[in-house]
Amino acid sequence: ELKVEQNPLFLSMQEGKNYTIYCNYSTTSDRLYWYRQDPGKSLESLFVLLSNGAVKQEGRLMASLDTKARLSTLHITAAVHDLSATYFCAVSPGGYQKVTFGTGTKLQVIP
Amino acid sequence: DAGVIQSPRHEVTEMGQEVTLRCKPISGHDYLFWYRQTMMRGLELLIYFNNNVPIDDSGMPEDRFSAKMPNASFSTLKIQPSEPRDSAVYFCASSLSGTTRSFQYFGAGTRLSVL
Repeated sequence: ELKVEQNPLFLSMQEGKNYTIYCNYSTTSDRLYWYRQDPGKSLESLFVLLSNGAVKQEGRLMASLDTKARLSTLHITAAVHDLSATYFCAVSPGGYQKVTFGTGTKLQVIP
Repeated sequence: DAGVIQSPRHEVTEMGQEVTLRCKPISGHDYLFWYRQTMMRGLELLIYFNNNVPIDDSGMPEDRFSAKMPNASFSTLKIQPSEPRDSAVYFCASSLSGTTRSFQYFGAGTRLSVL
């Protein structure tokens, strides 16, 4: 059974600080996704990573993928309050449309 | 495009009643997914369809749950009879195969409360 684990589960950080969220998965996957969910809202797509060493960046968020380690990271640079949300990674083994979501990391950025 | 449309947004019902949730996927998408989200269990995949055909319903918790997709633009998730433990946010998502990105696009969700 595919397992997708994120850590930390909860992260409280001050504005201006940097931090990294980790996503580990248990089996080979063709794709890895990052999504964001604001409180009481739906999930919004952020990044898709397709190959080993892939890096995607948008604003203060940067995602990377190490397929050999089965690890993806989401790095937050100089956090701002607007980044407060829950972040999910999701993997798609075998190129299928079905994905398995991680547990989510709830990020709270304190002014 | 209007995105994935779900209805109703909120549903409050009493235990034992039938509940029907509705979803309209993004036009042209060939995959449709139903998820349930709770604090305790996180985001769970219930069932998904490809070209209107159910592919994997292993996440459907019990026989009380059923889902249909009669055409490419409409799907329903039915709970009969409903129980308080079914209270959750139910999301529908759709995606398009054959593309590199293949994100799933989520609807706004239906917040279900069973009293």
